[in-house]
Amino acid sequence: AQSVTQPDIHITVSEGASLELRCNYSYGATPYLFWYVQSPGQGLQLLLKYFSGDTLVQGIKGFEAEFKRSQSSFNLRKPSVHWSDAAEYFCAVAAYNDMRFGAGTRLTVKP
Amino acid sequence: GAVVSQHPSWVICKSGTSVKIECRSLDFQATTMFWYRQFPKQSLMLMATSNEGSKATYEQGVEKDKFLINHASLTLSTLTVTSAHPEDSSFYICSARRGQDVEQYFGPGTRLTVT
Repeated sequence: AQSVTQPDIHITVSEGASLELRCNYSYGATPYLFWYVQSPGQGLQLLLKYFSGDTLVQGIKGFEAEFKRSQSSFNLRKPSVHWSDAAEYFCAVAAYNDMRFGAGTRLTVKP
Repeated sequence: GAVVSQHPSWVICKSGTSVKIECRSLDFQATTMFWYRQFPKQSLMLMATSNEGSKATYEQGVEKDKFLINHASLTLSTLTVTSAHPEDSSFYICSARRGQDVEQYFGPGTRLTVT
């Protein structure tokens, strides 16, 4: 079965600084990969997804992620973080009828 | 497109009572629906998978007699927490899959508090 590891439980960055959230997956076939953001008490919002093709994926809110098969990684990046980006971020890997989430990374943004 | 709703968004019930949560796909037919549970500051854990007209498949450790799932139509699945106890308090999120899509579309979640 597939699995996802988000090594960083909590990350703090200054507003305006760049951001990279790490995600490593384990899956035997070509993975379907997702990044979601969740604000406190809210549901999940899809930031971006990778199914195939170009390994650099652009998402909403200025986020991007790069799929690296050799490293089994799908790291999320943003060049300049805004205070409103403070939230919980989840990486997920999916197969047919099965989606597995990482433990999440909580992002704090310092003014 | 691909909007999923949940009702209610939050519910408080007394210990020992049952509570039903609805999950609806508003603009597509959901071949499969999923129920997740999320404890505070934790990730989503899959509870069960349901296909329309079939019995739900529960993940290991999830009590099927406590968490009753009904997927009566292609747009509606319900989760009933029976004889709720305070430890059942959690955030419940449903999702739906459209046709042969791998992607799941998530509802906004239901906050259950059992007093």
